[in-house]
Amino acid sequence: GAGVSQSPSNKVTEKGKDVELRCDPISGHTALYWYRQSLGQGLEFLIYFQGNSAPDKSGLPSDRFSAERTGGSVSTLTIQRTQQEDSAVYLCASSLITGGPGNTIYFGEGSWLTVV
Amino acid sequence: GEDVEQSLFLSVREGDSSVINCTYTDSSSTYLYWYKQEPGAGLQLLTYIFSNMDMKQDQRLTVLLNKKDKHLSLRIADTQTGDSAIYFCAEKSAGNTPLVFGKGTRLSVIA
Repeated sequence: GAGVSQSPSNKVTEKGKDVELRCDPISGHTALYWYRQSLGQGLEFLIYFQGNSAPDKSGLPSDRFSAERTGGSVSTLTIQRTQQEDSAVYLCASSLITGGPGNTIYFGEGSWLTVV
Repeated sequence: GEDVEQSLFLSVREGDSSVINCTYTDSSSTYLYWYKQEPGAGLQLLTYIFSNMDMKQDQRLTVLLNKKDKHLSLRIADTQTGDSAIYFCAEKSAGNTPLVFGKGTRLSVIA
């Protein structure tokens, strides 16, 4: 697609429910990133994919968080048994590659998650 | 881990210049970036600078990099109300590593 597309754009869920957030990166981009932005906080790195593999999962806050990417394209971030502190904007980004000169990362508009 | 620091708020008058500052700790940074986030929107890449450069100019934007002090700044000339947003500094190390972002500087432009 023309840009990074995320869905849903807004999600309100009850505490304890599972949620799935979807990211469709720019066509041809091999690298895909998930970040979290909480109110008044910067961007917290969660996980990134190179193709379908995730070399760095160090940012996932707990084992309730998981992510997968299939076909080198769409990725889903799953949060199980949501807690109120999970409320944040979840931003997805993609880039052509992860290293090398001129690498530019493009962001989607985010999925706003509210846990009530 | 690596760290990127920014002041949280900046307020300027319309027509003045804005200077947003950033410091980082990673001495192996290869690229440094400035992103803009308008209310309710995602992050938009404004500009980036390679670590072997000390200045880059793009229309109203001037990026200055002091690699010795690990200090990056973004100057916006003739600041307009449409420039009101959060500005994020980010650095990229060599290899397959993600960007590390600062907490963002909220720029308010007073008419």
